[in-house]
Amino acid sequence: GAGVSQSPRYKVTKRGQDVALRCDPISGHVSLYWYRQALGQGPEFLTYFNYEAQQDKSGLPNDRFSAERPEGSISTLTIQRTEQRDSAMYRCASSQGGGGAGVTDTQYFGPGTRLTVL
Amino acid sequence: AQSVAQPEDQVNVAEGNPLTVKCTYSVSGNPYLFWYVQYPNRGLQFLLKYITGDNLVKGSYGFEAEFNKSQTSFHLKKPSALVSDSALYFCAVSRGGGYQKVTFGIGTKLQVIP
Repeated sequence: GAGVSQSPRYKVTKRGQDVALRCDPISGHVSLYWYRQALGQGPEFLTYFNYEAQQDKSGLPNDRFSAERPEGSISTLTIQRTEQRDSAMYRCASSQGGGGAGVTDTQYFGPGTRLTVL
Repeated sequence: AQSVAQPEDQVNVAEGNPLTVKCTYSVSGNPYLFWYVQYPNRGLQFLLKYITGDNLVKGSYGFEAEFNKSQTSFHLKKPSALVSDSALYFCAVSRGGGYQKVTFGIGTKLQVIP
């Protein structure tokens, strides 16, 4: 597609429910990243993929958070048993290469999903 | 570890005046440095990046940034500010070498006053 898309744009859920956030990267982009952005803060790294392989998940805050990218394109970030502290903007980005050329690629961001946990 | 500091929460500048948004970084090795802009209710948009070479990097919308290795800084600049430049600006760093994890600063709000 022309840009990174995310769905839903807004999600309101009750504490204890599971949520799944979707990211559709720019077509052909190898790498896909998930960030969480709290109000007044910069994006905080959660995890990233090269193709379908999860390369780094060091930013996932606990085992309630998981992500997958089974076919190397669309990715889903799942939060189980949501808590109020999970409320934030969740951003997805993609980049062209997988770092194989020894460079850090430019990341292109989607519009984000605003999650509110009541 | 890698980190970014944006020491100013907000920068106010009059329209037509030059603007500077400050950023300092900490990273081992040679840094990759980025600036992004976020308009209200929009995603982050890439402005420019430094990889290597010329210390002055030119980017979108007339913005430029100057890499200073000795001061570990990467300040964003524009010669003449527009009201439409008012937005939230994020500096980011990575240690390069194929490492894809990027660390962002907390952002600086730029307010251009007509």
